[in-house]
Amino acid sequence: DAKTTQPTSMDCAEGRAANLPCNHSTISGNEYVYWYRQIHSQGPQYIIHGLKNNETNEMASLIITEDRKSSTLILPHATLRDTAVYYCIVRVDPGSSNTGKLIFGQGTTLQVKP
Amino acid sequence: NAGVTQTPKFQVLKTGQSMTLQCAQDMNHEYMSWYRQDPGMGLRLIHYSVGAGITDQGEVPNGYNVSRSTTEDFPLRLLSAAPSQTSVYFCASSSTRDRGKGTFGSGTRLTVV
Repeated sequence: DAKTTQPTSMDCAEGRAANLPCNHSTISGNEYVYWYRQIHSQGPQYIIHGLKNNETNEMASLIITEDRKSSTLILPHATLRDTAVYYCIVRVDPGSSNTGKLIFGQGTTLQVKP
Repeated sequence: NAGVTQTPKFQVLKTGQSMTLQCAQDMNHEYMSWYRQDPGMGLRLIHYSVGAGITDQGEVPNGYNVSRSTTEDFPLRLLSAAPSQTSVYFCASSSTRDRGKGTFGSGTRLTVV
């Protein structure tokens, strides 16, 4: 699976959009981008994933560049409860025979401030 | 649905003791895995299973054993605990259809003294 690079930390004002970048310049054509977050002392929580089209769900939006070498997770209206470590993970096709393991890096610590 | 249930939530062991961390899921997920998380670090994969009777090693398997006799349960055994195994342990499960979309338990905080 391709390696990802994320900033160590970011701040965001409450109510504003939080834009979390991820670089995955070595991504392969069959690799998806997944985002998870981990709120302090809790287990990681799945947020969203995508291949090449932009995706949106009730939690966030995922914007993937046309060359797929980077992506941005957008939390449209950040709240204090969104303070967490956000992990960007690249892995192969969701339904493939791949083992399914997730490789977590250091992630980005997002601090939402009042 | 309960999702993924881990027990116990907290445990203190003495060096050399053995114990089993329990993990159970009620979503009929085929894929299950164990991770450990040390302070300030990301999660590291210990062992995983793609179905009952099938297990394999992850990044940091030494000192841990697993078995998968049922779809629902995936226990993690520490045969002889060492201080280096002090960590927070997370169990996760996912379906075959989308193995990247994992559901995680709330964790077991283990201290080995």
